[in-house]
Amino acid sequence: DTAVSQTPKYLVTQMGNDKSIKCEQNLGHDTMYWYKQDSKKFLKIMFSYNNKELIINETVPNRFSPKSPDKAHLNLHINSLELGDSAVYFCASRISRSGNTIYFGEGSWLTVV
Amino acid sequence: KQEVTQIPAALSVPEGENLVLNCSFTDSAIYNLQWFRQDPGKGLTSLLLIQSSQREQTSGRLNASLDKSSGRSTLYIAASQPGDSATYLCAVHNNDMRFGAGTRLTVKP
Repeated sequence: DTAVSQTPKYLVTQMGNDKSIKCEQNLGHDTMYWYKQDSKKFLKIMFSYNNKELIINETVPNRFSPKSPDKAHLNLHINSLELGDSAVYFCASRISRSGNTIYFGEGSWLTVV
Repeated sequence: KQEVTQIPAALSVPEGENLVLNCSFTDSAIYNLQWFRQDPGKGLTSLLLIQSSQREQTSGRLNASLDKSSGRSTLYIAASQPGDSATYLCAVHNNDMRFGAGTRLTVKP
């Protein structure tokens, strides 16, 4: 069973569209993250949720809105997609904010055309 | 704000060589440090996790060290193989997890 699963894995969409990427973890972890990996391969944290509560919100355009319906899920919704949003988005989780190993999903490759 | 730097950005070595990848961080108040591997077009694979109270961790041909007071970690790869070619990422855990930009390793047969 996949510990952290993201869908879709690949997404090609037009500028201006609204899209969502879903993430689910079956590890019973309290803390979940979204990271963005840009074309230069640099991984940057976007958001972190702990028990459905937003605890980290980096400097991300407000077109990006995370939603955590329960602590096993952290979805990322993006409004009015722009070319610069093309990247790989990784979901991750760990048992708590100070917990040990962080587990990553396989990534979602978003291409905006 | 924690900043993580990895040197070198890219490294090319012949097969069989031992090598060291470097990671430095600015805030020493960390819970732990983790090394990852990323293959092209793939996700992240955890290699080694070092707790803040530990000095090193070993797994097979990999050895990671941590000097928290100086804000440094190294990943030592012994007897490198072409299959080791990948990008290696260092990540530091405070209240969140910050990554370095990675070292792109190429091991030539």
